[in-house]
Amino acid sequence: SQQGEEDPQALSIQEGENATMNCSYKTSINNLQWYRQNSGRGLVHLILIRSNEREKHSGRLRVTLDTSKKSSSLLITASRAADTASYFCATARGDSSYKLIFGSGTRLLVRP
Amino acid sequence: DAGVTQSPTHLIKTRGQQVTLRCSPKSGHDTVSWYQQALGQGPQFIFQYYEEEERQRGNFPDRFSGHQFPNYSSELNVNALLLGDSALYLCASSLQGADGYTFGSGTRLTVV
Repeated sequence: SQQGEEDPQALSIQEGENATMNCSYKTSINNLQWYRQNSGRGLVHLILIRSNEREKHSGRLRVTLDTSKKSSSLLITASRAADTASYFCATARGDSSYKLIFGSGTRLLVRP
Repeated sequence: DAGVTQSPTHLIKTRGQQVTLRCSPKSGHDTVSWYQQALGQGPQFIFQYYEEEERQRGNFPDRFSGHQFPNYSSELNVNALLLGDSALYLCASSLQGADGYTFGSGTRLTVV
């Protein structure tokens, strides 16, 4: 079963607009990670935020984490057509569990 | 510096057959995890190998087995293939004690 659930399942925006994706999870975590996947191929690691952090930036990416609500959001600013992909959140639990638990993903389409 | 290498990239097998997928981790990484990703879903954790032993296992039957070699490379074996085993199989490597994972491009397995 999936730990995280992304919202929305699909998002279509115009190039230059911002894209926001949300992720909710169920159990306590050690960290939360966001990945991008192009056309059903390998996952590319975007950003990791630890449970004691609230916000993190990397280039055009901004991630927030609210552990009280068990939720995270990924903001992509000034989107480009090349950002078209599926985006997944994945959680690593804090109980020495070594696995990542993925959500079902958000499919982002950026129209030129 | 090579990332994670998986082989083969595509594979077609018949129901009941056996398959072996291979993974070479990123240089410097000592831990290998395997994930199954069905079409339209997020990846599901199969198992993780460290020091040539299976350290943790997800909710997969015994038909799924693996191995890690002294050079840290790994194999995933699936016996008695079912149509439902058709999926993208992803290998991820990491360094024990570190948070980051590097994923390979995956092996697309089709069972007919």
